[in-house]
Amino acid sequence: DAKTTQPPSMDCAEGRAANLPCNHSTISGNEYVYWYRQIHSQGPQYIIHGLKNNETNEMASLIITEDRKSSTLILPHATLRDTAVYYCIVRERSNDYKLSFGAGTTVTVRA
Amino acid sequence: NAGVTQTPKFRILKIGQSMTLQCTQDMNHNYMYWYRQDPGMGLKLIYYSVGAGITDKGEVPNGYNVSRSTTEDFPLRLELAAPSQTSVYFCASSYSGDVSYEQYFGPGTRLTVT
Repeated sequence: DAKTTQPPSMDCAEGRAANLPCNHSTISGNEYVYWYRQIHSQGPQYIIHGLKNNETNEMASLIITEDRKSSTLILPHATLRDTAVYYCIVRERSNDYKLSFGAGTTVTVRA
Repeated sequence: NAGVTQTPKFRILKIGQSMTLQCTQDMNHNYMYWYRQDPGMGLKLIYYSVGAGITDKGEVPNGYNVSRSTTEDFPLRLELAAPSQTSVYFCASSYSGDVSYEQYFGPGTRLTVT
């Protein structure tokens, strides 16, 4: 899988938008960008994924730059329950089924 | 839908004991996976299955066995438990193995081997 780079931690105020950056400068044309999060002591939770276009679902928005070398996950109205480790993962088309979680970004939402 | 469920939530085993971790999904997903997560580390794939009756090894299969007799269930068997198997075990499922399909995870089983 292509390597991703995320900041180790960030704080966010409750009710404000949280913008989580991810660099994936070696991404190739058929690799997807995935975001998962892991709330303390729970299983990883799927958030969103995309290939080229920006994506939005009930949880978040994913903005992918035109050159695909970076992306931003946006949590529009962060709540205390959004405090978690957020993982940006690039998945390539292959027979490798595993999800490779890096260190992620620890997001702390403060009241 | 309950999604992916796992039992038990916690377990303490003595060295040399055996146990089965249960995993069930109700999303009619063909693909199922077992991962382990050691403290402060990422997930490692133990075994996976692409459908009933078909299983294959992941990155760290030694000391484990799996079976897939139904679409819904994918139990993980630990034989002769060792302290190195102390970990959190997550089961996951997906509709397809293609990278365009997301994997959904269960809540995990926390296993301690002493």
